Amino acid sequence: GESVGLHLPTLSVQEGDNSIINCAYSNSASDYFIWYKQESGKGPQFIIDIRSNMDKRQGQRVTVLLNKTVKHLSLQIAATQPGDSAVYFCAEKGASGTYKYIFGTGTRLKVLA
Amino acid sequence: DTGVSQDPRHKITKRGQNVTFRCDPISEHNRLYWYRQTLGQGPEFLTYFQNEAQLEKSRLLSDRFSAERPKGSFSTLEIQRTEQGDSAMYLCASSLSATSNEQFFGPGTRLTVL
Repeated sequence: GESVGLHLPTLSVQEGDNSIINCAYSNSASDYFIWYKQESGKGPQFIIDIRSNMDKRQGQRVTVLLNKTVKHLSLQIAATQPGDSAVYFCAEKGASGTYKYIFGTGTRLKVLA
Repeated sequence: DTGVSQDPRHKITKRGQNVTFRCDPISEHNRLYWYRQTLGQGPEFLTYFQNEAQLEKSRLLSDRFSAERPKGSFSTLEIQRTEQGDSAMYLCASSLSATSNEQFFGPGTRLTVL
């Protein structure tokens, strides 16, 4: 299948270690953020979301942190597994009045056995 | 499979030809989005429908692009007079506004313009 993001920043992590993927967003008025995982040849898959009135949200093995002061979003994956290997995108949605989601350029996560 | 489906999965066309892609969202999802994705980039927003109404279009969407969702269910995206720069993956996503902003993406249509 075709690879997604041949020239993306790459994070290599040992299996079982924790992964941290970072994202800088562009609009201080954005009120909603999502992390997506995209495997080669597939559409993006929702992982976790967070609203701008929160600074942390936890899911199963994943945590999203939001720092509005510096417009920074991070995704933490605990006990990284080979199946976590993919390209990860953050996306932001502007404040009310727009339905447009803006995606970042993505980070490739490689899990080493 | 009750996810978002797109057809065709791959389309090869010659420059100047018109192409049309179809998206079938998850049943009862009233929100539908079209995106374009090129290699190495994140998806780029093209347009948004709520039911049959097209509520937002990207300024990047030239007049050669048109999208419809006539009955508020499936949607079509047409590109007229295709150019080589139109080569990309075209993704469709749907969501159910009442409960969640989570978008469910289809597998995409890969367009290659020769």
